[in-house]
Amino acid sequence: SQQGEEDPQALSIQEGENATMNCSYKTSINNLQWYRQNSGRGLVHLILIRSNEREKHSGRLRVTLDTSKKSSSLLITASRAADTASYFCATQGGSEKLVFGKGTKLTVNP
Amino acid sequence: NAGVMQNPRHLVRRRGQEARLRCSPMKGHSHVYWYRQLPEEGLKFMVYLQKENIIDESGMPKERFSAEFPKEGPSILRIQQVVRGDSAAYFCASSPPVRLGGQPQHFGDGTRLSIL
Repeated sequence: SQQGEEDPQALSIQEGENATMNCSYKTSINNLQWYRQNSGRGLVHLILIRSNEREKHSGRLRVTLDTSKKSSSLLITASRAADTASYFCATQGGSEKLVFGKGTKLTVNP
Repeated sequence: NAGVMQNPRHLVRRRGQEARLRCSPMKGHSHVYWYRQLPEEGLKFMVYLQKENIIDESGMPKERFSAEFPKEGPSILRIQQVVRGDSAAYFCASSPPVRLGGQPQHFGDGTRLSIL
């Protein structure tokens, strides 16, 4: 069964604005990861946050994790047209497999 | 430093034929994972392999699907007697040896399988 659920399913913003995507999951985890997928391509790893961490930054990305609510958010600041892609959260629990949500389709308009 | 290489990128098969999808992991990576993606959906785990061993095949359909990762050569995902419902993008990922607390996986660009 699908573990993560992203929301919103689709998001359209203007260049320079911030984009926030949310992810909820159901079971206990070791870590939560965010990936980006450009159309027709594979997934690119963006950031990993461990279950004992609450916030992590990487460049224009900020990820939060709330294990009590089983939720995470990905914030992209000062968005660019090149950020247009689908974004997926994925969890790792007791095994190495990644369990993905359905993704958020982000469109950044120039 | 090549990433995960998958071939072919596109594969067309008729119902009843066999499909073979290949994946060469990143250099130094001994763990391979296969995922399937239907249109507008997230990826679903199929199988996790190390060299010559299947570690977790909990996501593999019980029939027609098999995977291997031989001592030499790429990992192969094999689908026998394909049906229309097998049409999807199949992604391979690799990682170095397992680390406590988990780690990212590196993905190939996928094989898009179309069944006529």
